[in-house]
Amino acid sequence: LAKTTQPISMDSYEGQEVNITCSHNNIATNDYITWYQQFPSQGPRFIIQGYKTKVTNEVASLFIPADRKSSTLSLPRVSLSDTAVYYCLVGDPFSGGYNKLIFGAGTRLAVHP
Amino acid sequence: DGGITQSPKYLFRKEGQNVTLSCEQNLNHDAMYWYRQDPGQGLRLIYYSQIVNDFQKGDIAEGYSVSREKKESFPLTVTSAQKNPTAFYLCASSISRGGNSYEQYFGPGTRLTVT
Repeated sequence: LAKTTQPISMDSYEGQEVNITCSHNNIATNDYITWYQQFPSQGPRFIIQGYKTKVTNEVASLFIPADRKSSTLSLPRVSLSDTAVYYCLVGDPFSGGYNKLIFGAGTRLAVHP
Repeated sequence: DGGITQSPKYLFRKEGQNVTLSCEQNLNHDAMYWYRQDPGQGLRLIYYSQIVNDFQKGDIAEGYSVSREKKESFPLTVTSAQKNPTAFYLCASSISRGGNSYEQYFGPGTRLTVT
């Protein structure tokens, strides 16, 4: 599975847009990019997944450039409840081992009033 | 109300005792997983099972054991051989092969403290 690099922490304020970038230089052709959110003392929660260009759902957007060596999770108008750890994962969901997720330390987002 | 349940939420044990953590899912998922999380760290895979009566070691299986006798259940035993058992333990499940999503569904976790 491709290794990912994310900032350790970020700070923002309520109402702002937050962009968290993840680097994955050795991403393979069949790999997808997935983001999870984790609140303290809870299990991670799936946010969004994409392969290329842009994916948007009711929670976030995921931007993936043409070379796919990085990706950006965009959270519009964050609130205090968005304070959490965000994990970027890369892997092939169609391979035999695709369910073996590898979580790094993630990015700790703190949203301030 | 489908989901994954883990019990208990908090568990305290004395060193040298084995302890079993419960994980049940009613999502009809084939695959189930156990992770360990230490403070400020990401999740590390202990064991996973893609089908009933079959399971595979993850990255940190030493000192742990599992069973998968039913599709819905995947209990984890932390044995006395695990040198640093105090941690937050998370169970997860997912659709098995053939899916086009990387999504795993996680339980609420069990915080184990061994003294």
